[in-house]
Amino acid sequence: EADIYQTPRYLVIGTGKKITLECSQTMGHDKMYWYQQDPGMELHLIHYSYGVNSTEKGDLSSESTVSRIRTEHFPLTLESARPSHTSQYLCASSWGAGFSGANVLTFGAGSRLTVL
Amino acid sequence: RKEVEQDPGPFNVPEGATVAFNCTYSNSASQSFFWYRQDCRKEPKLLMSVYSSGNEDGRFTAQLNRASQYISLLIRDSKLSDSATYLCAAITGNQFYFGTGTSLTVIP
Repeated sequence: EADIYQTPRYLVIGTGKKITLECSQTMGHDKMYWYQQDPGMELHLIHYSYGVNSTEKGDLSSESTVSRIRTEHFPLTLESARPSHTSQYLCASSWGAGFSGANVLTFGAGSRLTVL
Repeated sequence: RKEVEQDPGPFNVPEGATVAFNCTYSNSASQSFFWYRQDCRKEPKLLMSVYSSGNEDGRFTAQLNRASQYISLLIRDSKLSDSATYLCAAITGNQFYFGTGTSLTVIP
């Protein structure tokens, strides 16, 4: 059913490791986003991209980085994971050159990261 | 001030009840609005877009009041399966802004 895929779904890793969370969408959407959400808490935008080779930081400061080399792919990388990075990371995408009621966000199922 | 604000609840209502959620937005330039549903430990999923004239989808009715800068969601005849967190969202400029979500539990 989902047209936006995230891997891994769950990751438990030790402090200091480098990790990459993958996000791919098959809808041809120009816009892609990464949100961070702790349990029971609000969504925080950490990165977004409006197209290939375009990336911006979101409202929440994050030590992660992103790249957008292909339209369908928007990976997020943490060079050195820390326990404070433990959270759920949600990738999303939307369609269109502008913003309107038709440009809804579609979310992936999320990557739940635990850093020990 | 946050772009979008919601009462976090929780709302605990009996089956069959009607429940209403409100959401306010701070920027009068916000141009599009949505309600999302998020189940525990799942991703948000679009419930419905909110149109200026108001819109209905089965038991769900969404309304927009631009003068007072709020949107609302009405759920009639609540079902147990409606238990979830409901997030409102607004597009302002080039950004989506989400509220913190309102938790709903429908009780048998």
